[in-house]
Amino acid sequence: EIVLTQSPGTLSLSPGERATLSCRASQRITNNHLAWYQQKPGQAPRLLIYGASSRATGIPDRFSGSGSGTDFTLTISRLEPEDFAVFYCHQYGSSPPYTFGQGTKLEIK
Amino acid sequence: EVQLVESGGGLVQPGGSLRLSCAASGFTFASYGMHWVRQAPGKGLEWISYISTSGTIYYADSVKGRFTISRDNAKNSLYLQMNSLRDEDTAVYFCARVRTDPYGGVYFDYWGQGTLVTVSS
Repeated sequence: EIVLTQSPGTLSLSPGERATLSCRASQRITNNHLAWYQQKPGQAPRLLIYGASSRATGIPDRFSGSGSGTDFTLTISRLEPEDFAVFYCHQYGSSPPYTFGQGTKLEIK
Repeated sequence: EVQLVESGGGLVQPGGSLRLSCAASGFTFASYGMHWVRQAPGKGLEWISYISTSGTIYYADSVKGRFTISRDNAKNSLYLQMNSLRDEDTAVYFCARVRTDPYGGVYFDYWGQGTLVTVSS
């Protein structure tokens, strides 16, 4: 099973700043099968990025994903007030187990 | 508009059973694989089960032998039969639709709002 470790656990930033979230895998993720989700309190997760760097439908271009192998990054170029939430990375493939990172909480400073 | 609506959650005693449902609309349900994912209170996400369009099924080790996933394409519905429930099964249960990437990877593109299952005596 691939274990995903996200860092930092909590990130405190102000609107307009740049956010960089990290996700490290315990073994190489093939075919860039890495997704990012945003979850706000009481809501379902929302798909942001799949294939490590492809934005999902309707996701603003201030969200970008990068990385390969074992190290992946989600970047939010200029934070908007609605961006503050918990973010999860997720590794997937053609068969399970499918695993998630423990989450990074992005909070307003 | 894609919609997924879970139902069937509630309070159940340890050892009891519940059946969750996920009603799908806004897309051709039979053409998509589906997952169940859960989230314990204040915790992260845990994948628990997957059913493909052809009926291939997978379970996480934590629920294998106790939970059964199924689907009824005629009713546009996904189900999760949960037996021998334990305290640690307490969570919000989400259904999620599968998208398949060009390399066969299956990620989750739409999620329902979830239904809360509480296992407690």
